[in-house]
Amino acid sequence: EVQLVESGGGLVQPGGSLRLSCAVSGFTFSSYWMHWVRQAPGKGLVWVSRINSDGGTTNYADSVKGRFTISRDNAKNTLYLQMNSLRAEDTAVYYCARGQGFAFWGQGTLVTVSS
Amino acid sequence: QAVVTQEPSLTVSPGGTVTLTCGSSTGDVTSGHYPYWFQQKPGQAPKTLIYDTSNKHSWTPARFSGSLLGGKAALTLSGAQPEDEADYYCFLFYSTASASVFGGGTTLTVL
Repeated sequence: EVQLVESGGGLVQPGGSLRLSCAVSGFTFSSYWMHWVRQAPGKGLVWVSRINSDGGTTNYADSVKGRFTISRDNAKNTLYLQMNSLRAEDTAVYYCARGQGFAFWGQGTLVTVSS
Repeated sequence: QAVVTQEPSLTVSPGGTVTLTCGSSTGDVTSGHYPYWFQQKPGQAPKTLIYDTSNKHSWTPARFSGSLLGGKAALTLSGAQPEDEADYYCFLFYSTASASVFGGGTTLTVL
């Protein structure tokens, strides 16, 4: 059974940092691009970032470029999102998803940026 | 960054047909944008219905189909069911920017 389980969300002050993790099982993690997608409360989906199968290529939405870093550890079957200089507008549920068809999504982890 | 546009809301009668569209601020949507369509119901993670314009996953009901129509990506629902009431998002890849963008979503009501 394929599972993607996000963790690391929580309450953080503006300007702070958080690292999200996405633990994957049930498929060959090292063969797939992976994505982070977020959704602010009551709003639509927003693509955040993606990373290729070996971690050598990363891309970001303009809104997070220079503040967020996507990475992966294929030995640990885990995807990461390091989020720095957080702003109130980064408040959202963050989902990880498997690329190449987006067949599988996690259930999301909530990040709240507030003082 | 490009803007992807969708109808904010649509209504379809049970058993009826409706087409949702997805346009791009940069021009025509083509197969090179690898259009995706996602369905999201309240409190749930998104579910992928269509990828690469018209490909379906094993769980995609046959009543959903994807296409390119008049310079836009399109999702057609033929024979709407009450359970199809949901938010639908399209998603496009922009190779020149190496970035992807979601549309604002369409709230589909089956009434």
